[in-house]
Amino acid sequence: ELKVEQNPLFLSMQEGKNYTIYCNYSTTSDRLYWYRQDPGKSLESLFVLLSNGAVKQEGRLMASLDTKARLSTLHITAAVHDLSATYFCAVASAYNNNDMRFGAGTRLTVKP
Amino acid sequence: DTGVSQDPRHKITKRGQNVTFRCDPISEHNRLYWYRQTLGQGPEFLTYFQNEAQLEKSRLLSDRFSAERPKGSFSTLEIQRTEQGDSAMYLCASSFWGRNTDTQYFGPGTRLTVL
Repeated sequence: ELKVEQNPLFLSMQEGKNYTIYCNYSTTSDRLYWYRQDPGKSLESLFVLLSNGAVKQEGRLMASLDTKARLSTLHITAAVHDLSATYFCAVASAYNNNDMRFGAGTRLTVKP
Repeated sequence: DTGVSQDPRHKITKRGQNVTFRCDPISEHNRLYWYRQTLGQGPEFLTYFQNEAQLEKSRLLSDRFSAERPKGSFSTLEIQRTEQGDSAMYLCASSFWGRNTDTQYFGPGTRLTVL
């Protein structure tokens, strides 16, 4: 069964600092997604990672994928308050593309 | 393209009542998904359609739940004889299967409260 674990679940950081969120998964996957969710809102797609070594960057966020380690990271550079949100990784099984599992989410708070 | 829309945004009902939610996907998308999200958790897959065919249902989807997508466009999710444990955010997402990424785009959700 595909399982997805994120850590940390809660992250409080100061503006200007760097940090990394980790996403581990249990079975072979060929697609990994990162989403952002603001309180009371729906999910916004941030990145899609399709292959080993894939790296995507958008502004202060950079996502990477290591399929051998079954690990993805979301790195935050010089955090700003606007990045405060919950970040989810979601993994699609290579054996059943419709089996997409979400992590529990990382609730990020960026303090001034 | 106005994105995925859902209606209603909020629904409060009494235990035992039936409720129906609607989802309008992005017009060119051929896949439509339903998820349930409870507080502090990630979305959990319920079911999905490719065009009008319902291709997969999660074990979470009990007999009280039914979903339809009659013309391959909008979809409805009905919950019969609601229970307090059904209280959650119900999210709809759509995607275009055939593109490499198959990114799912989510609607704003319907928040259900069962009293």
